[in-house]
Amino acid sequence: GENVEQHPSTLSVQEGDSAVIKCTYSDSASNYFPWYKQELGKGPQLIIDIRSNVGEKKDQRIAVTLNKTAKHFSLHITETQPEDSAVYFCAANRINTPLVFGKGTRLSVIA
Amino acid sequence: NAGVMQNPRHLVRRRGQEARLRCSPMKGHSHVYWYRQLPEEGLKFMVYLQKENIIDESGMPKERFSAEFPKEGPSILRIQQVVRGDSAAYFCASSPNPGLQETQYFGPGTRLLVL
Repeated sequence: GENVEQHPSTLSVQEGDSAVIKCTYSDSASNYFPWYKQELGKGPQLIIDIRSNVGEKKDQRIAVTLNKTAKHFSLHITETQPEDSAVYFCAANRINTPLVFGKGTRLSVIA
Repeated sequence: NAGVMQNPRHLVRRRGQEARLRCSPMKGHSHVYWYRQLPEEGLKFMVYLQKENIIDESGMPKERFSAEFPKEGPSILRIQQVVRGDSAAYFCASSPNPGLQETQYFGPGTRLLVL
């Protein structure tokens, strides 16, 4: 089955700097890669996703890149703000199989 | 449009008791997914249901755990004879479209503590 590794487990950045979170996956047939943000005491919220037919997707300050050959994908947050502080989860799956999540990255943006 | 609702938000049970967790999907959503999250861990898929049907229960323990999504009313995750290892946050998500690669909208979770 699929296995997703996520790094780093914690990340601190200064406000305005960029943050990068990386995930690797094991199943070469995986073709859907969402990223979720979870704030304290709340449920995860989808912030961006990418499918294997594209290599990069951007939405304002957030971007995701996918390298199918190396089986890794990354979340990039530019111009970080204090409200970006949260736990971020990557996930992956192939069609008709459940999402497999990474263990999460706790991002702290220091004002 | 109200989001996904889960209740109770916190539940305390003693070993051997039953826990019932409820999930009301977003209006118009007929697909529900349940996940379990242990402290400092990612979410682990448990079960995917449509109205009156279990589509995928590959992540659900074979014993003590069951789930349903009736034609009317919320989806229910039931844990019988709870043990300390069942202590976790349980999240449900819903989607308007079928499948496991559709956008899933999560509820706030139920935090279960087994004493």
